[in-house]
Amino acid sequence: GAVVSQHPSRVICKSGTSVKIECRSLDFQATTMFWYRQFPKQSLMLMATSNEGSKATYEQGVEKDKFLINHASLTLSTLTVTSAHPEDSSFYICSARDGQVPYEQYFGPGTRLTVT
Amino acid sequence: SQKIEQNSEALNIQEGKTATLTCNYTNYSPAYLQWYRQDPGRGPVFLLLIRENEKEKRKERLKVTFDTTLKQSLFHITASQPADSATYLCALEGRSNFNKFYFGSGTKLNVKP
Repeated sequence: GAVVSQHPSRVICKSGTSVKIECRSLDFQATTMFWYRQFPKQSLMLMATSNEGSKATYEQGVEKDKFLINHASLTLSTLTVTSAHPEDSSFYICSARDGQVPYEQYFGPGTRLTVT
Repeated sequence: SQKIEQNSEALNIQEGKTATLTCNYTNYSPAYLQWYRQDPGRGPVFLLLIRENEKEKRKERLKVTFDTTLKQSLFHITASQPADSATYLCALEGRSNFNKFYFGSGTKLNVKP
């Protein structure tokens, strides 16, 4: 089946620094990639949708200058959390779809970000 | 705005029984409804997708129903096993805003041996 990887799986950073998270589709070309954020025992909240070579579409309330998304190729998207604060600590999950029916999303394993 | 409700209380059942999880939604007309499994600290894994014009979909021990009049989907796991213990999420995607997913908060299933 389709596999999506994320790196790193866990990261701890100091407040004010920036952190980059990579999301890769390993065995398919991802026409669209998604970035989600999940708090404990809560739903996945879509942050942004990106297509290769174009600017990401951010959901309402998500600061695009703080959460920089780059969909550089059909197999790679990155999320950079800039000037991180403790309230940015969360579980970040990417997903991808290849445009093929029946349109399921393939999720990465997630990245646990802790900002101290 | 749209609202998706899944039972926040954990569902505890005995091994071998059928687990039934519910997903209710309001203020939305999804074209697709999907069910995912999520284990602690991991990303969700796709299980089943059902379209708005489908009533039921099956895959091995899994069955999904979709009632657009009641605005409800039921997810069944027959002959449940302890390995089925996980959180199950439903997700809705609209026809007019494809690629926009709304997830429920999930129901934790505990299957006891």
